[in-house]
Amino acid sequence: DTAVSQTPKYLVTQMGNDKSIKCEQNLGHDTMYWYKQDSKKFLKIMFSYNNKELIINETVPNRFSPKSPDKAHLNLHINSLELGDSAVYFCASSRGRNYEQYFGPGTRLTVT
Amino acid sequence: KNEVEQSPQNLTAQEGEFITINCSYSVGISALHWLQQHPGGGIVSLFMLSSGKKKHGRLIATINIQEKHSSLHITASHPRDSAVYICVTRGGGADGLTFGKGTHLIIQP
Repeated sequence: DTAVSQTPKYLVTQMGNDKSIKCEQNLGHDTMYWYKQDSKKFLKIMFSYNNKELIINETVPNRFSPKSPDKAHLNLHINSLELGDSAVYFCASSRGRNYEQYFGPGTRLTVT
Repeated sequence: KNEVEQSPQNLTAQEGEFITINCSYSVGISALHWLQQHPGGGIVSLFMLSSGKKKHGRLIATINIQEKHSSLHITASHPRDSAVYICVTRGGGADGLTFGKGTHLIIQP
């Protein structure tokens, strides 16, 4: 059983399109995260969501919007995709903000 | 704003060597994580520390709150330890998470 799963694993799309990446965790965790790993392999936090409190990294464009239908899911919706959005996106979850995080396998997004 | 510096950036060693990766940060934090990213891309959380020392198998992580410094040690290193090791601090900032740029470790047989 996969603890944190993401779909799709690979996503290739054209500039200007809108796409979503889904994340689900079956660990009963209260906190979920989205990270972006750029071409230089640097990880950056995009969002964290804890008990309906959304914390946004101020550097994230508002074309990116997290949506949490319930505690087990935190989906990432991206509008008007740009070339610079190409990256690997990781979802993670934890029991709380100061607990160990469990990562999903990543979604490689390529914008052409 | 917290600054997290890791050293070395790249490290190549022979199998069996004792490995140390360092992480320094600039402001008070509530916790520090060590992550491992395998060559295939998967990320695993190795440790979360707020004080002292933790050990898991051949891996040991220490943190010195006063000196704002943490180390990750690998004893009897093995080629399967080859990965990128990332230090992450929590405390300050929009979400409080600040990432180091990672240490790329290669263990040669």
